Amino acid sequence: AQTVTQSQPEMSVQEAETVTLSCTYDTSESDYYLFWYKQPPSRQMILVIRQEAYKQQNATENRFSVNFQKAAKSFSLKISDSQLGDAAMYFCAYSEAYSGAGSYQLTFGKGTKLSVIP
Amino acid sequence: DGGITQSPKYLFRKEGQNVTLSCEQNLNHDAMYWYRQDPGQGLRLIYYSQIVNDFQKGDIAEGYSVSREKKESFPLTVTSAQKNPTAFYLCASKGREGQPQHFGDGTRLSIL
Repeated sequence: AQTVTQSQPEMSVQEAETVTLSCTYDTSESDYYLFWYKQPPSRQMILVIRQEAYKQQNATENRFSVNFQKAAKSFSLKISDSQLGDAAMYFCAYSEAYSGAGSYQLTFGKGTKLSVIP
Repeated sequence: DGGITQSPKYLFRKEGQNVTLSCEQNLNHDAMYWYRQDPGQGLRLIYYSQIVNDFQKGDIAEGYSVSREKKESFPLTVTSAQKNPTAFYLCASKGREGQPQHFGDGTRLSIL
């Protein structure tokens, strides 16, 4: 079974600075998807960024970028120019690439709580 | 606007009572999912459905039941067999392969 590990329960960053959240995963598949979701105090789950495992290029979305190391099974999220609105729980998630006997279900890490200091 | 609607936002259950959480989507997605979130934890999959009239158990299905009579709707019933139902429940749907899951705003279930 796939597992996702986020080793940093809490992180803090100064406003306008850069922070990196760590995520490692375990899978025997060669094709899969990785996601970072943000959950603010409102409890909504908001997609931040997505990475396809067969693409070597790291995904970027404005101030958010990932460092995808497939061999190391590592998928970290970098937030640049941190803003107060970035304060939230961040979840790393894994999904298989092909339904097969599966479901494209998401396997989540336990999350990292990010605080942004003004 | 397309999206996923969960209701109610807050729900209270008495001992021995079954309660049903509603999830409706107008995104024309085939697949739908129910997740449970406990404090300090990630989401865990309860049930999922890839097409109408078909659904499969997830990792923590005991004490829960679902139905999928319409593409748009995937209600979750928390039965009296679920001894620790207090949690935040999130419904999600997904379109074609490679697309991410979209989530509703969740339902907070508590025991009276």
